[in-house]
Amino acid sequence: SQTIHQWPATLVQPVGSPLSLECTVEGTSNPNLYWYRQAAGRGLQLLFYSVGIGQISSEVPQNLSASRPQDRQFILSSKKLLLSDSGFYLCAWALTQGGEQYFGPGTRLTVT
Amino acid sequence: RKEVEQDPGPFNVPEGATVAFNCTYSNSASQSFFWYRQDCRKEPKLLMSVYSSGNEDGRFTAQLNRASQYISLLIRDSKLSDSATYLCVVNRGGSYIPTFGRGTSLIVHP
Repeated sequence: SQTIHQWPATLVQPVGSPLSLECTVEGTSNPNLYWYRQAAGRGLQLLFYSVGIGQISSEVPQNLSASRPQDRQFILSSKKLLLSDSGFYLCAWALTQGGEQYFGPGTRLTVT
Repeated sequence: RKEVEQDPGPFNVPEGATVAFNCTYSNSASQSFFWYRQDCRKEPKLLMSVYSSGNEDGRFTAQLNRASQYISLLIRDSKLSDSATYLCVVNRGGSYIPTFGRGTSLIVHP
């Protein structure tokens, strides 16, 4: 069966520091991968999605970037965090474009 | 008009009640639709897909109305454990990019 891992579970970072969040999927090949952010009391905002290695599409221009160095690995990065980057970051995978998505446990980021 | 809209609630219902939520979408070319459940401070979990012919899973029924551009979720015989936020997802027509609604909060009380 498929599983999705995200780490760390919680993170507290100062403004201006770099960020790297990692997501890996097991038990499937060539998944569609997604990064979302959910700010406190808000809906899920799609940040990036990827249909294959090295293929990244950005939904919202900001100081974040994403990479997919391996088939089942998706990384979210920032060179300098802003206070507004605080939120609940969720990675998800889907077997097909437009298909059912399955979420990892998320990383709760607080930028201080 | 927002791409995907949901009544935020909260819907406060007694155990055993039937409750229904709607989710409207603006892009008539949208092709796939889903309902997710999100518990407080947890990740969303897939509840069910919404097919053109409707979909039923136990106490949960999902319907799609393309003419009026909305999907619905009906929960029968509500349980305390149904208390959660229910998110609808609509994939943007032609691109399969998912858009989440902001969710509807359900509170089931004894």
